[in-house]
This record gives sequence, C-alpha cells and structure tokens, in this order.
Amino acid sequence: NAGVTQTPKFRILKIGQSMTLQCTQDMNHNYMYWYRQDPGMGLKLIYYSVGAGITDKGEVPNGYNVSRSTTEDFPLRLELAAPSQTSVYFCASSWGAGVMNTEAFFGQGTRLTVV
Amino acid sequence: AQKITQTQPGMFVQEKEAVTLDCTYDTSDPSYGLFWYKQPSSGEMIFLIYQGSYDQQNATEGRYSLNFQKARKSANLVISASQLGDSAMYFCAMREGFSGGYNKLIFGAGTRLAVHP
Repeated sequence: NAGVTQTPKFRILKIGQSMTLQCTQDMNHNYMYWYRQDPGMGLKLIYYSVGAGITDKGEVPNGYNVSRSTTEDFPLRLELAAPSQTSVYFCASSWGAGVMNTEAFFGQGTRLTVV
Repeated sequence: AQKITQTQPGMFVQEKEAVTLDCTYDTSDPSYGLFWYKQPSSGEMIFLIYQGSYDQQNATEGRYSLNFQKARKSANLVISASQLGDSAMYFCAMREGFSGGYNKLIFGAGTRLAVHP
C-alpha cells in the first residue's frame, strides 16, 4: 500500500524561486492537509482541503497556495521562496465529514532549504 | 479558538518505568477527537491512540493509555513499561467537530521523551 506519497524528499531553493510540493494519496480520503515543521518544533497547519475543489487556510498560510482538483492530489505551491520557509513539509490525509475517530496518515516529508 | 498545549519540552524516564506526557486543549465545540502521534528521529509520524469527546472510557492501545479528564480539558498520554525504542517526539493533536465548520486537525508543540537504560 502506497498511502500518502510526497515528492521530492529533499530540495534546495534559491531565494525568490518557486516550486510545487507534490502529494498524492490512494486511500480515497476526502480530507488532506499540509503542515510545516520547523526544527525541534511542532506541526503547523498551512492549508487543508475537505474534498476536491474545496480548500481552506490553516494557521500559517502566508507564502503558500494550494489546489485540489482531484481526490488523490493536493499540491502545495511556494511562490517567491524565502529563508523563513526552510522547513520540513508534511502532507497528510484522513477521513472526515462525520468520521471523527480516524487518524491522519502522513507522508514521509519534504525537507526544503531556501538559501 | 481551537488550541493544543504541551508544556513539557523534554522528559526523561528510566527503562521499564511508566511516564506521563501532558496535553491540554481548548475548544468550544462539544464534539472533538484527540490524537497522539510519535515521531522518532527518522521523522515519520506514527499514530498511537485516539480519544473521542463522547467516549465514556479512557482509550488504551497496548502500552499506551490516555488519561482523559474532560472537565479539566486534559488528555495525557501514559506509556507503561518504557522501552528504549520509545525515545522520540510525541505530539498531541485535536480535531473539532462541526460547529466550527470544517474540522481541521491541529497539533501541539510536542514533548521529546528520552528513555534511559
């Protein structure tokens, strides 16, 4: 079972460059999430989606954009990368909409460095 | 507003002893779920245990149990008979129900647990 797959695993960006972090899940989950985790810190929610075509901001959305055109895919776009966006990014998915007792499944993470 | 607080940045425990990791939360939604995740040094997120706000009994999963005190809004994780492999970061997380709209999942800052032989 693939679960949640993130690509790339590592990336170095120069200040001002843009990139898209890819996330796909094969569990037919309706909810998907993007988090960032700074060194030694907890996970901060960037954006989340409750289904295809529906996204909403999390705790730290500035500098990021998302789209959800299919159930499986939830890419995260970084525009004009800044050093403050150096972090590990996690994508996750879960059931939602009335199914409370279901955990989120996480990808392996993308380690991004902006120099 | 939805909030999770973990006040212990780091904890130490001797192998084979029990340890409690604290988690308090704040929500105005009567329907919510609480989760604990483990993150070893390799970085992956591992789900440990779940507690629903309407569950009558504290959740247990093997050596993990959740001390759920609803009136105090606390959901502490208890690890019994600690093992060296339990050394990791531990995160408490919460998902609200529907009164606040979409039910996003938010995390606390985490507690780093070190198990000593």
